[in-house]
Amino acid sequence: KQEVTQIPAALSVPEGENLVLNCSFTDSAIYNLQWFRQDPGKGLTSLLLIQSSQREQTSGRLNASLDKSSGRSTLYIAASQPGDSATYLCAVKAAGNKLTFGGGTRVLVKP
Amino acid sequence: EAGVVQSPRYKIIEKKQPVAFWCNPISGHNTLYWYRQNLGQGPELLIRYENEEAVDDSQLPKDRFSAERLKGVDSTLKIQPAELGDSAVYLCASSTRTAYEQYFGPGTRLTVT
Repeated sequence: KQEVTQIPAALSVPEGENLVLNCSFTDSAIYNLQWFRQDPGKGLTSLLLIQSSQREQTSGRLNASLDKSSGRSTLYIAASQPGDSATYLCAVKAAGNKLTFGGGTRVLVKP
Repeated sequence: EAGVVQSPRYKIIEKKQPVAFWCNPISGHNTLYWYRQNLGQGPELLIRYENEEAVDDSQLPKDRFSAERLKGVDSTLKIQPAELGDSAVYLCASSTRTAYEQYFGPGTRLTVT
């Protein structure tokens, strides 16, 4: 059974500092890995999707890497802003179009 | 393009009462998902539909939960009777059959007292 872990559960940084969020998964037989953002009381917004054949994906200040063999992904957010405060979730997709989520990392960027 | 629509956004009920949640997926999306998200945790899949057919309901507690997707568009998730442990956010998502990406609605926050 696939298990996805995100450490730390919460993170607080001053504005301008780079954010590093970690995600690990137990079964490397995945189709892709996706990073989501969730604001309080809102649904999930997809940030980046990395196919299993890719090593990284970039969008603006966001960069996500994937090391499938070691079961790890890292989301980097450069020059953090208070608007980046949210919960970040990673999810892996395996057979059956099923997404398995981690517990999320709650991020607070202090002005 | 309209996103996934869910209603109600919030619901407070007493235990043992029934409750229903409604989801309207993005137009043209054949696949519909219901997830439950407990406080401080990631979402967990309850059921997945391909058109009208429930193709994965292995995580749905069938003694009290039921779902339907008539005509392969809108879907309803029902709990009867509700228990205190059912308090959570219920998320609906949709995707095209072959797409990689799932699009999520805002969720329904259920509180059972």
